[in-house]
Amino acid sequence: EVQLLESGGGLIQPGGSLRLSCAASGFTFSNFDMNWVRQAPGKGLEWVSAIDTSGTYIYYSDSVKGRFTISRDDSKSTLYLQMNSLRAEDTAVYFCAKEVGTPRSWDPFDIWGQGTTVIVSS
Amino acid sequence: EIVLTQSPGTLSLSPGERATLSCRASQTLSRDSLAWYQLKPGQAPRLLIYGSSSRATGIPDRFSGSGSGTDFTLTISRLEPEDFAVYYCQQYATSPTFGQGTEVDVK
Repeated sequence: EVQLLESGGGLIQPGGSLRLSCAASGFTFSNFDMNWVRQAPGKGLEWVSAIDTSGTYIYYSDSVKGRFTISRDDSKSTLYLQMNSLRAEDTAVYFCAKEVGTPRSWDPFDIWGQGTTVIVSS
Repeated sequence: EIVLTQSPGTLSLSPGERATLSCRASQTLSRDSLAWYQLKPGQAPRLLIYGSSSRATGIPDRFSGSGSGTDFTLTISRLEPEDFAVYYCQQYATSPTFGQGTEVDVK
């Protein structure tokens, strides 16, 4: 079964750091670009970051640029999101998502995890 | 950044009725780079439509997408009980953005 499983969420104080993980199974992880998307309480979906198959092309939304770092370990079929200098507005459910996998620069997301919750509060 | 505006915010319908959801982009989307997702509480989002009108794998044919340029529509021909959820459009012509969502709830 194709699956993404996020972990690493929790309660963290403002200014703190957290690393999220997303374990992939059921498909060849190394062949696909991957993304993080978040949903703040009562809000819609917000794209956060993307990484290509080689780890060369990496993109961030303006709201997290300079604070978050996306990475991948293909040997472990795992995607990561290192979150530093966390703010209250980073409170959200964080989803990892697999792109469909065409030669295009961007693709829709065909597989999503169920999310991990990050709460930034003192 | 391409801004997507969805309407209406909430759609109150009964099972068996037709649902029509709209998504308007702030600029023309190249190659109809528009997808629709369904989101239910506590579940993973589900890709329904990509390329404006192509159904994703396993999606029932009561879901259909249409449109091009800046105006796109998701239609659910006859609502089933499991279709009551929040629906988001997403553009992937450039770095992705999502609309604010349309909630389809039971009338």
